Order: sequence, then C-alpha cells, then structure tokens
Amino acid sequence: GAGVSQSPSNKVTEKGKDVELRCDPISGHTALYWYRQSLGQGLEFLIYFQGNSAPDKSGLPSDRFSAERTGGSVSTLTIQRTQQEDSAVYLCASSPPDEDEQYFGPGTRLTVT
Amino acid sequence: QKEVEQDPGPLSVPEGAIVSLNCTYSNSAFQYFMWYRQYSRKGPELLMYTYSSGNKEDGRFTAQVDKSSKYISLFIRDSQPSDSATYLCAMSTYNFNKFYFGSGTKLNVKP
Repeated sequence: GAGVSQSPSNKVTEKGKDVELRCDPISGHTALYWYRQSLGQGLEFLIYFQGNSAPDKSGLPSDRFSAERTGGSVSTLTIQRTQQEDSAVYLCASSPPDEDEQYFGPGTRLTVT
Repeated sequence: QKEVEQDPGPLSVPEGAIVSLNCTYSNSAFQYFMWYRQYSRKGPELLMYTYSSGNKEDGRFTAQVDKSSKYISLFIRDSQPSDSATYLCAMSTYNFNKFYFGSGTKLNVKP
C-alpha cells in the first residue's frame, strides 16, 4: 500500500519568506511526527500528534515554527520568516494505533538562500 | 550533553566483514531501543527494535542492549555492499511521544 508521502520533495526559498511543508500519513495511522535532519546530524524531534489529543510541541525550535493536523490525517508544518539555519531535510513519520514502529516519508529538502 | 551519542564514522569495511555500530545514552528512563537504516536521500526505515537488555537476532543483524551501561550495539554479519547506508540508533521512554535519535554512523561496505 501507499507509504507516507511528503511534498514538495525539494523547496528553495529566500530568507524571510514563509514555507509550508505537507505530510500525508499512512491511512489509519493515528500518530504523526515531524523531525528535522541537518547535514551530518541525527533527527531532531519537532512535534508529535496523537489522535485528537493536544500535540506535543516541545521540540519546535522557535515560534516561527508551527504545525497543524487536519481531521486526524494530513499535517502541515509552517516555517515563517525563514532563516538560513532552517535549511535541512524535514521528515514526517506516522505510526498505527498501539504500535511503536514509525514509518518515515522521503522528506522535504528545504534550502533557504 | 546529548541524550544519545553515536560515532558518525564513516566506517569502511570489506564485504563479508562483521560490523559493530554503537550508541551510548544518558537517560535511564529510556525503555525502547531501535536501529534505523537510511539510504541517501531516503527516509529512515526500521531495522531492529528491542525493549529489554540482552540480544535480539534477525537474520544477519543482532541488536544488543546493556541498560546497566547505557550502551546499545548493532552487529551486521557477512556485510554486503547493499548494507552501505547511514545507521541511526533511536530510543524512547514508555509513552513513545518522543524519540531521541543518534547522529547516525555512515557505513560503506566495499566489494
């Protein structure tokens, strides 16, 4: 079946512009995670959604970052007033109910010039 | 200090070698331990998962956890060129709301 999809696959934007990154989780998966992976670095947790519960936003690096999950499915990560240090690969993962395994999407490579 | 430490490598071995990849951690609340493989420009994929001390084997892969030393390992036997990738360790507490990843070890298996 279809895996986690993310769009766009690549995004180049100018410093100061806002960007929106989209994640379509696997159908039926209740948990959704966003991570950031900078060059040579591990995955940095950003935000976690579980069903209809309030999201865990503890990993968001600044108030320029926000995320929504509509109808318990699609999620959008928004970065306002992008900075060069925001350049990274943004990965989304989802998990089915009562399972721990995360299924990752291919990521969105963001470059801020 | 990072929650999870992992040697970034790169690690280069000949085909057929036994590979040992390691992570250390500082948080004794971690209960679940995972190893992911990530090919270039792809998302990570889960290789091994364990929640107890000891060994877990799956084909050519063995995951080892030593909670007393806060140390985990992944062994790859009879390594193949197709094993060339970045290997990430990850860990979580009991509620799975946050996963902590190592920085990844880049492995190159030479034919």
